[in-house]
Amino acid sequence: EDQVTQSPEALRLQEGESSSLNCSYTVSGLRGLFWYRQDPGKGPEFLFTLYSAGEEKEKERLKATLTKKESFLHITAPKPEDSATYLCAVQAPKDSNYQLIWGAGTKLIIKP
Amino acid sequence: SAVISQKPSRDICQRGTSLTIQCQVDSQVTMMFWYRQQPGQSLTLIATANQGSEATYESGFVIDKFPISRPNLTFSTLTVSNMSPEDSSIYLCSVKVQLSTDTQYFGPGTRLTVL
Repeated sequence: EDQVTQSPEALRLQEGESSSLNCSYTVSGLRGLFWYRQDPGKGPEFLFTLYSAGEEKEKERLKATLTKKESFLHITAPKPEDSATYLCAVQAPKDSNYQLIWGAGTKLIIKP
Repeated sequence: SAVISQKPSRDICQRGTSLTIQCQVDSQVTMMFWYRQQPGQSLTLIATANQGSEATYESGFVIDKFPISRPNLTFSTLTVSNMSPEDSSIYLCSVKVQLSTDTQYFGPGTRLTVL
């Protein structure tokens, strides 16, 4: 069964303390992996798309990497405004089309 | 990307009533999606709404409960019918701006509480 698992469920860091969020997946054929950020009471905001193992994308303090089994979202020297829930989604074949399989998210809290 | 708005942003409704949620996009898009996000949980796809064709519903969701309209390339509505407290959730619309990429962009969501 296709599955996406994010860990940890929640992560508390001090401002400036770098860390990584994990998104592991088991799908029959990866077409793409997506990272989103979601603030409370808002819709998900697109961050990155990764398509193949070894690919990396960066945006400000965030860097996303992809292997054949998992993706990491690295956060370097985070600030309180980076606090949010980070969602991972994997696009995989379904019937003659594709489906997005969503992880449950990691709630990141950055303390000043 | 795309600028997406939803109305209402939130509502409190009585059991047995219906609510129609509107989704407006600032550009023409072929594919629009409706999701549900229950408190503390991730996203569940309700249906895909393509202009000019009937919406395609995911397992566990039916047209009688969640009728969808897609009258043009910038607008869609989702109705939550005969509501019960279990329908309390955030409802999100999203769009694919380009068919050549798979990225979806989301609206701000509609927070629904059913009493």
